[in-house]
Amino acid sequence: QSALTQPASVSGSPGQSITISCTGTSSDVGSYNLVSWYQQHPGKAPKLMIYEVSKRPSGVSNRFSGSKSGNRASLTISGLQTEDEADYYCCSYAGSSTWVFGGGTKLTVL
Amino acid sequence: QVQMQESGPGLVKPSETLSLTCTVSGDSISSYYWSWVRQPPGKGLEWIANIYYSGATNYNPSLKSRATISLDTSKYQFSLKLSSVTAADTAVYYCARKGTGAYSPFDYWGQGTLVTVSS
Repeated sequence: QSALTQPASVSGSPGQSITISCTGTSSDVGSYNLVSWYQQHPGKAPKLMIYEVSKRPSGVSNRFSGSKSGNRASLTISGLQTEDEADYYCCSYAGSSTWVFGGGTKLTVL
Repeated sequence: QVQMQESGPGLVKPSETLSLTCTVSGDSISSYYWSWVRQPPGKGLEWIANIYYSGATNYNPSLKSRATISLDTSKYQFSLKLSSVTAADTAVYYCARKGTGAYSPFDYWGQGTLVTVSS
């Protein structure tokens, strides 16, 4: 069970859109529509932003959206705001009742 | 709204057992899955284990031989024990709720507690 692969960092300007990728394998991301995304500000606990690939929990802005193609999932943030600057982690079901996270992506809003 | 709070020693000696407890408030502990996730300083998240209110457990294969998760519904608490710790087990440990379904996401998290393994 290896960690999912995410870019170490991405950046964008306020108002722009960015996409963070999350690459797994046919044993995790590719086999299940059970990818979730978490936002983590420094020193804080992670916060659920997207679940089951593209569903948003109540209270999460519709600027956040998720998608998946094959072994790769993506999180898109549109209309970037300064408060979106944080670390983002993807997570996937990996079969046999196990879960695997990505290495995390630091989003910088320039 | 559910709230979760981790508690336990902040410093553990190498080769000893790390013991943490998560106290749940604001909702029933029944009908949900409960989890432990850790984050080494400056690194990413790692899922450790889940427990269902029925007592059924699941573990990360890389930690299965050393980790034990348990639940005390009467105290609204669940716990983690990690044996034979090394410096590599130094991390912020989070307790989290996984919702009512086996495939639910981690929807509520505790604030986390830093555990340092050092002599």
